[in-house]
Amino acid sequence: NAGVMQNPRHLVRRRGQEARLRCSPMKGHSHVYWYRQLPEEGLKFMVYLQKENIIDESGMPKERFSAEFPKEGPSILRIQQVVRGDSAAYFCASSPRQGGDQPQHFGDGTRLSIL
Amino acid sequence: RKEVEQDPGPFNVPEGATVAFNCTYSNSASQSFFWYRQDCRKEPKLLMSVYSSGNEDGRFTAQLNRASQYISLLIRDSKLSDSATYLCVVNVRTGANNLFFGTGTRLTVIP
Repeated sequence: NAGVMQNPRHLVRRRGQEARLRCSPMKGHSHVYWYRQLPEEGLKFMVYLQKENIIDESGMPKERFSAEFPKEGPSILRIQQVVRGDSAAYFCASSPRQGGDQPQHFGDGTRLSIL
Repeated sequence: RKEVEQDPGPFNVPEGATVAFNCTYSNSASQSFFWYRQDCRKEPKLLMSVYSSGNEDGRFTAQLNRASQYISLLIRDSKLSDSATYLCVVNVRTGANNLFFGTGTRLTVIP
């Protein structure tokens, strides 16, 4: 029963390094979403992707952040030149099809800590 | 104004109690509504969708009031295992497929 798989579970980086977070959606799901949750705050939408396409990146910071969902392999959220403020839990979710009525299923998240 | 607002709580209730949470949303064009549950440092898990006619799943009842733009969740006969943060979630834009999350209401059920 493979749900949404995220890795790593925990990631520690020093300021200025790069962070790569991976997400494999549930089997049969082709829509992937990334969210960020800062301590004591709600989840904030970052980006929505389908295979090889970014559909909505309205929640992504303009600089240092990028996302992809290649034809083969997991979706990747990449953060370049990390800063302390990037420390957060990053959750990936997937759904089987497009549509606002589709609930999303979440992975366990990656906890990113910046030293 | 936030898209989705919830009372953060905490709500501390004894086992067996009935507890209700409310949530308001700002965009009258919002289409879809959900309650998710999040345990400490874990991922959000879908608890139930919320339909216009109201819906019930065991001890949980969800209601939607479009006129007043609020959603409610009622938990009857609270169990210790119900202790968690309950997230009100709204799909704000028609045709869009990303969700706006409230900051959550924290519930602790006490023995």
